[in-house]
Amino acid sequence: SQKIEQNSEALNIQEGKTATLTCNYTNYSPAYLQWYRQDPGRGPVFLLLIRENEKEKRKERLKVTFDTTLKQSLFHITASQPADSATYLCALDDGTGDDKIIFGKGTRLHILP
Amino acid sequence: GAVVSQHPSRVICKSGTSVKIECRSLDFQATTMFWYRQFPKQSLMLMATSNEGSKATYEQGVEKDKFLINHASLTLSTLTVTSAHPEDSSFYICSPSLTDTQYFGPGTRLTVL
Repeated sequence: SQKIEQNSEALNIQEGKTATLTCNYTNYSPAYLQWYRQDPGRGPVFLLLIRENEKEKRKERLKVTFDTTLKQSLFHITASQPADSATYLCALDDGTGDDKIIFGKGTRLHILP
Repeated sequence: GAVVSQHPSRVICKSGTSVKIECRSLDFQATTMFWYRQFPKQSLMLMATSNEGSKATYEQGVEKDKFLINHASLTLSTLTVTSAHPEDSSFYICSPSLTDTQYFGPGTRLTVL
């Protein structure tokens, strides 16, 4: 069956350290994968998109990797700050070419001061 | 980034009533609109996809007669939950699509008593 799994429901990281979140998928062949941030009671906010032919993408303190062999994406936040505390969602296109994206359950990240 | 509004942000209604949720893309034209719902600690689940001027396509298990979607223009889509019941209580989020990036509305919290 098709699955998207994010490594843990919650993650606590000390301020200043790098937070690494994992997204694994099974039985999908996505053309791209996205990461979103969601704050409580709010809609997701787009952060980064990485395509299947890209290994790594960076945006300020964010870095995303995409390994289509391992079927895994890693999302890194360097020099983490308490304001980075949120739920981070991994999403990928379902491979049917109709722009539908499928979301993981998310990982709640807590940056501890 | 793109601006998406949803109205209302929060609604409480009695069982059996209908509730209309509006979604507007304020600074871009969206040919495709996705509607999601999210239960607590769950991933966003796609309910339906609509293209401007045509009928919506519903995901398996989503009743089209219960969740009426109207995509009247490139900047406005509505979702009407008809004869709402307590099990329809959820967080409803619209997502207008612009190329391969989806932007999300702030969400509508529906509580059916």
